[in-house]
Formats: sequence, C-alpha cells, structure tokens
Amino acid sequence: EVQLVQSGAEVKKPGESLKISCKGSGYRFEGNWIAWVRQVPGKGLEWMGIIYPGDADTRYSPSFQGRVTISTDNSISTAHLQWSSLKASDTAIYYCARGTKANTGAFYIWGQGTKVTVSS
Amino acid sequence: QSVLTQPPSVSGAPGQRVSISCTGSSSNVGAGYTVHWYQQLPGTAPKVLIYDDTNRPSGVPDRFSGFKSGSSASLAITGLQAEDEADYYCQSYDTGLSASVFGGGTKLTVL
Repeated sequence: EVQLVQSGAEVKKPGESLKISCKGSGYRFEGNWIAWVRQVPGKGLEWMGIIYPGDADTRYSPSFQGRVTISTDNSISTAHLQWSSLKASDTAIYYCARGTKANTGAFYIWGQGTKVTVSS
Repeated sequence: QSVLTQPPSVSGAPGQRVSISCTGSSSNVGAGYTVHWYQQLPGTAPKVLIYDDTNRPSGVPDRFSGFKSGSSASLAITGLQAEDEADYYCQSYDTGLSASVFGGGTKLTVL
C-alpha cells in the first residue's frame, strides 16, 4: 500500500526550532515529488513548497520562502519540513502530499497531518 | 486572499445538483494550467476528486465532475448525499507566483 506517515503532534514555544517528518512507503520514494501544505485552524489549504527526492530540486511558495526548509533523507524515504525560529502564527496542521509533477500536478496521496502548536 | 476565488459556501438538498466555481485569471487557469479538486471531510486529510480539469481517479463516484472554460473551473456534484458534506478546494499553478495555489475553499452543506 502506498502511504505517507507523518510524525506526531508538536507543542513548541516561539523562537524554538522544529523539524517534522513524512515517511513514504509502498513506492519508489526518489521518483515522486513531495509537497507540504499548511492549514491554519478553521482556514483553507496553503501550498508551501515541493521537493523531488531524486535530485533535491526544491521550490517554495513566495509566502514561505526563507521561513521554512524542505529536505529529504532518501536513506529512510523521509521528507522533512523545518523551522529555525517558530512564531505563534506557525500554529497549524501541516500535510505532506505526493505528486507526479513539480508545480502543476495533483496530489493523490496525503499524509495524516502533523499538528503544530506554537504558544508561550 | 487566494488568486483562485471560490464561494465560501454552497448548499443543496439530498438528490439535488450543486456546482462550486473556481475563478482564476490569465496567470493561472486562464493560462491553460490544469485545475484539480479536493474534498476534505472534517478532521481528515484532503482527497483528490478531479485531476487535470475533468478526470476522476478510480474510486471516485461519477456523481462528481469537473469543467473548465477560460479562466474559470467548476466542480459539479449530482445526486447530493449527506456524506458529501465537506470542504472543497480547487488547485492550479500561478505563473506570477511561480507556485501552485489552492482556492479559498467552499463549505458544502447538505440540507
């Protein structure tokens, strides 16, 4: 079964760093794009960026460029989303999703989401 | 404010047909970039309903259909069922942002 399994919920303080993960299984991890999507509580979906594990080609939405870093560890078929200094406004559910194209394709497989709470 | 505009809410009675619009511009839908549609049930991850404007993944009922014309796209749901009550999002690519974008989402209420 093709699936993406994300790491568990996190509670952090403003200014702290964080790295969440998304592990792919049931398919060739290096051959498919992985995107990250943010959903603030009660709000819509926001495309943050996308990475191709095969060559680490990474693209970011202008809204998130410089605020987060997307990476992969192909040895464990895992994608990561990280922050160096969290803000309260980063409180959201973060989904990873698998796509077949860099920017224009649909996302057919989604992780279950990771809830991140940033509060002092 | 998303570059893809959806109505915040739509509603319909069981058995009826509803349509959800997704209005873009010449930098996204109007430029020919494909539109995808997702359903998000409460507390769950989104699920793709329509990809590349009009195509349904296997397993998605044919009650769901997608259309595109010019700078706008729409999702039609026929034979409305209580289980269709969810949030629906369109997605496309925007050349001005050089990024994929989602519409603001539409909440469907089955009366």
